[in-house]
Amino acid sequence: DAGVTQSPTHLIKTRGQQVTLRCSPKSGHDTVSWYQQALGQGPQFIFQYYEEEERQRGNFPDRFSGHQFPNYSSELNVNALLLGDSALYLCASSLKQGIFYGYTFGSGTRLTVV
Amino acid sequence: GQQLNQSPQSMFIQEGEDVSMNCTSSSIFNTWLWYKQDPGEGPVLLIALYKAGELTSNGRLTAQFGITRKDSFLNISASIPSDVGIYFCAGQLYAGNMLTFGGGTRLMVKP
Repeated sequence: DAGVTQSPTHLIKTRGQQVTLRCSPKSGHDTVSWYQQALGQGPQFIFQYYEEEERQRGNFPDRFSGHQFPNYSSELNVNALLLGDSALYLCASSLKQGIFYGYTFGSGTRLTVV
Repeated sequence: GQQLNQSPQSMFIQEGEDVSMNCTSSSIFNTWLWYKQDPGEGPVLLIALYKAGELTSNGRLTAQFGITRKDSFLNISASIPSDVGIYFCAGQLYAGNMLTFGGGTRLMVKP
């Protein structure tokens, strides 16, 4: 049973560029959340997608946007990259229905902005 | 953004020792979670707590949901080298809601 798959695993971008990160949820999951984890810190919630719509959003600027596809996979887009956007970006999937929405995390995409 | 206050930030212990770490918040949560993150990996769920006062075990791990719903602690008994990693607490207001993470406790175990 495949877990959460993220691609690419690493990438380097230049300030001002745009980047797209991809996530395939765990089989059977229908909800995807994105987190940003700066070095030495805990993950911070960016947003959550369910039924192809953004359902919740954390304290991130509009430069951060996303999309969910009919097959539940998701993309995270970041425009006008800043040095401070360098971080590990984690995707977490879950099942909307249920008492506890257990989150399964992917291994992340390490983004370095130079 | 808000993060939970997790302590200690790091611990260097001898194999076989017990470990205790805790997490506090200025606001209440209805679910507390403990995760472990190894280098190059995403967080993996260790224990989930759903009820104030609840004490839950998972092997050598024991976690408690504080009665005020503003804190939680995690104990690891008889530590082994594979316990090395970063432990995060996370709070959740309701099922499906975002997770708010602590800053992590880095555990190092000396054989």
